[in-house]
Amino acid sequence: EDQVTQSPEALRLQEGESSSLNCSYTVSGLRGLFWYRQDPGKGPEFLFTLYSAGEEKEKERLKATLTKKESFLHITAPKPEDSATYLCAVQAASGGSNYKLTFGKGTLLTVNP
Amino acid sequence: GAGVSQSPSNKVTEKGKDVELRCDPISGHTALYWYRQSLGQGLEFLIYFQGNSAPDKSGLPSDRFSAERTGGSVSTLTIQRTQQEDSAVYLCASSLTGDTDTQYFGPGTRLTVL
Repeated sequence: EDQVTQSPEALRLQEGESSSLNCSYTVSGLRGLFWYRQDPGKGPEFLFTLYSAGEEKEKERLKATLTKKESFLHITAPKPEDSATYLCAVQAASGGSNYKLTFGKGTLLTVNP
Repeated sequence: GAGVSQSPSNKVTEKGKDVELRCDPISGHTALYWYRQSLGQGLEFLIYFQGNSAPDKSGLPSDRFSAERTGGSVSTLTIQRTQQEDSAVYLCASSLTGDTDTQYFGPGTRLTVL
């Protein structure tokens, strides 16, 4: 069974204090790893897709990286508006239902001014 | 362009009543998904529609749950005889096709069963 574990559950940073969020996964062949951002009362907003180990993607202050066992979301010099829950999800390559996303429980990031 | 829309945004119902939740996917997207997000839990896959193919209902938690998609566009998730454990946020997503296409989510419907 595919599993996704995110850590820490919650992270509080000061504005400008860089850090990383972790997403560990076990999947029967990775088709894609997805990062989403979710604000309170809203649906998840797509950030990145990573497909193979060694791949990196960047968007503003965020950079996502991928290894064979985990992904990191690095946040450089965060601002209060980066406060949100960050969700990681995997899509398996094998089996007949490889469109399903298996999500972790998320990391709640709070950035204080 | 317009994103995925869902209605209602909030629904409060009494135990035992039936509810219908609606999803309008992004225009041109052939794949549609329903997920459930319970407090403290990750998003849980419920059902998948792709074009005219038979839906994948493997994630539906009980036979009280059903969904349909009319004309390859709008979808309705129906929960019959609601129970308190059905209280959650129900999220709809759509993608251009299935497979590895990015899934774009709607704002969700928060269901509260009293």
